[in-house]
Amino acid sequence: GIQVEQSPPDLILQEGANSTLRCNFSDSVNNLQWFHQNPWGQLINLFYIPSGTKQNGRLSATTVATERYSLLYISSSQTTDSGVYFCAAPQGQNFVFGPGTRLSVLP
Amino acid sequence: EAGVAQSPRYKIIEKRQSVAFWCNPISGHATLYWYQQILGQGPKLLIQFQNNGVVDDSQLPKDRFSAERLKGVDSTLKIQPAKLEDSAVYLCASSPVRAYGYTFGSGTRLTVV
Repeated sequence: GIQVEQSPPDLILQEGANSTLRCNFSDSVNNLQWFHQNPWGQLINLFYIPSGTKQNGRLSATTVATERYSLLYISSSQTTDSGVYFCAAPQGQNFVFGPGTRLSVLP
Repeated sequence: EAGVAQSPRYKIIEKRQSVAFWCNPISGHATLYWYQQILGQGPKLLIQFQNNGVVDDSQLPKDRFSAERLKGVDSTLKIQPAKLEDSAVYLCASSPVRAYGYTFGSGTRLTVV
């Protein structure tokens, strides 16, 4: 099955800093999702991004399917951005999640 | 639109006991998923339903886990008997079509002692 890797595993930022999270996947994909899991455990879909770049406020994501990676950019980070960020790649009719990047934004 | 409802929120049981979790998906969502998330890991799919039929249960430990989705709406996931390694958060998600537009519930945190 498809393998999904994420880096870095942990990231600590000062409020206001920018960051880039990376997701590598082992096979060609026709879509990719990014999720945020808040400190209370709720998983929220951020982006559904098979290719190209999408932006939503301070967050943006880019997927380069031919090179098997996706990037999530967080600009001007806020404490509410803390949590774990997962990417998920398709396998069959569902998605395989990566191990996540744990982000801590300090005030 | 109401979200995906799960209950209970927390459950503590002794090993070898049985436990059941309930999920009510978003109205009209045909696809329902149960995921297991062990502490420090990403969610792992246990079973996927399309309406009331099973699409994928390849990673469900069928000797102890079972799931059903009655009338293509609510779903229950059961573990009998529970083992210590079943301690995890069990997440339910639904989507209007397969593999797109996931909405997750808040999860049930199971501790097996």
